[in-house]
Amino acid sequence: DQQVKQNSPSLSVQEGRISILNCDYTNSMFDYFLWYKKYPAEGPTFLISISSIKDKNEDGRFTVFLNKSAKHLSLHIVPSQPGDSAVYFCAASGSETSGSRLTFGEGTQLTVNP
Amino acid sequence: NAGVMQNPRHLVRRRGQEARLRCSPMKGHSHVYWYRQLPEEGLKFMVYLQKENIIDESGMPKERFSAEFPKEGPSILRIQQVVRGDSAAYFCASSQRQGLNTEAFFGQGTRLTVV
Repeated sequence: DQQVKQNSPSLSVQEGRISILNCDYTNSMFDYFLWYKKYPAEGPTFLISISSIKDKNEDGRFTVFLNKSAKHLSLHIVPSQPGDSAVYFCAASGSETSGSRLTFGEGTQLTVNP
Repeated sequence: NAGVMQNPRHLVRRRGQEARLRCSPMKGHSHVYWYRQLPEEGLKFMVYLQKENIIDESGMPKERFSAEFPKEGPSILRIQQVVRGDSAAYFCASSQRQGLNTEAFFGQGTRLTVV
């Protein structure tokens, strides 16, 4: 039962353009969402998060949008840079009793071409 | 994320041997989580521990896997009698507190290969 889904395994964009990575979830109990970035042979690095009481959170070139009614969130990177090439994981959490336990999507490989 | 230290980075075991993976959380963090990433898949939660306590082990396989986080020293994920299907990257994460709006910081992972 994949509760967090990233339907695009890969995305390729040109440097300077916008990258949009999508994520869908099924569990209504999720109310905190995070994006992690992962380079090969390294651990995931926290990028940006959003609480369900918001619909947008922005941090520099990164913006996360949350549509609760559609159970959908997206990560926008603009402008995209070659150094952004990595696997991006969407993650969700929802219960106080589970601490920061995260449910991850399968990841999207972003390639930014110079 | 140099703060969360995992060792070894790479571990090769023969089928039937034991694997011990270690995780030292970031300074000041008392919550530790273990995740497993199988090839071509996302990270899957295994277990959540606080000092000397297992809080949530709902993601742990029922047999051969165990975890601890003693009062002193690192957290240990132990896999007994390893099989080829245990080959994966195992990531440890730590956080300062429990609850929502708490980011977990990950280590670089231990890549276990069972031959």
